[in-house]
Amino acid sequence: QKEVEQDPGPLSVPEGAIVSLNCTYSNSAFQYFMWYRQYSRKGPELLMYTYSSGNKEDGRFTAQVDKSSKYISLFIRDSQPSDSATYLCAKSAQGGSEKLVFGKGMKLTVNP
Amino acid sequence: GAVVSQHPSWVICKSGTSVKIECRSLDFQATTMFWYRQFPKQSLMLMATSNEGSKATYEQGVEKDKFLINHASLTLSTLTVTSAHPEDSSFYICSATPSGAYNEQFFGPGTRLTVL
Repeated sequence: QKEVEQDPGPLSVPEGAIVSLNCTYSNSAFQYFMWYRQYSRKGPELLMYTYSSGNKEDGRFTAQVDKSSKYISLFIRDSQPSDSATYLCAKSAQGGSEKLVFGKGMKLTVNP
Repeated sequence: GAVVSQHPSWVICKSGTSVKIECRSLDFQATTMFWYRQFPKQSLMLMATSNEGSKATYEQGVEKDKFLINHASLTLSTLTVTSAHPEDSSFYICSATPSGAYNEQFFGPGTRLTVL
């Protein structure tokens, strides 16, 4: 079993839709969770970072962590064509600046 | 701020040759740099952790003699793929962690390596 499972998609939605991206993980030692966005042929950029269960909101983005079920989610409200990218979940045992384990990434396309 | 660059952005080489990829933190000092590899439609897989002034720590299954890492300064780490083969063709991405209390690592734009 992989440490981080993520449905690779692809996912295509119309502009303005609410997008839900999900990952599950198997190792409870990992306490820090991140969502990265990666445009084609570019390096990932950090979107959201959290280390506790619950919700964290930043503009149109909400990250949700449920440690009891080992489930993490990213919600994008009012999706825009510029949100079209690959979204990767990641986790770490020691923080966002330490070794990261990534999910496979979900390719999202938002159609105008 | 927190910009990481990589050079070259893409490289094509013949099988059996060696290729060096540079990773630089442009506006901060990085005690730690990470090297990842990403195959098409796959996730980033950590290859090694590089700390300035010391030997790199390689992940299980990564050949340290094939992927030579040098972190000679706080702003530069290099990855050399020795005797490259077609199966080494991949997207190599580095990341750097600023010295001090940060909870983020900053990624470079990646280097596309194609071995013929």
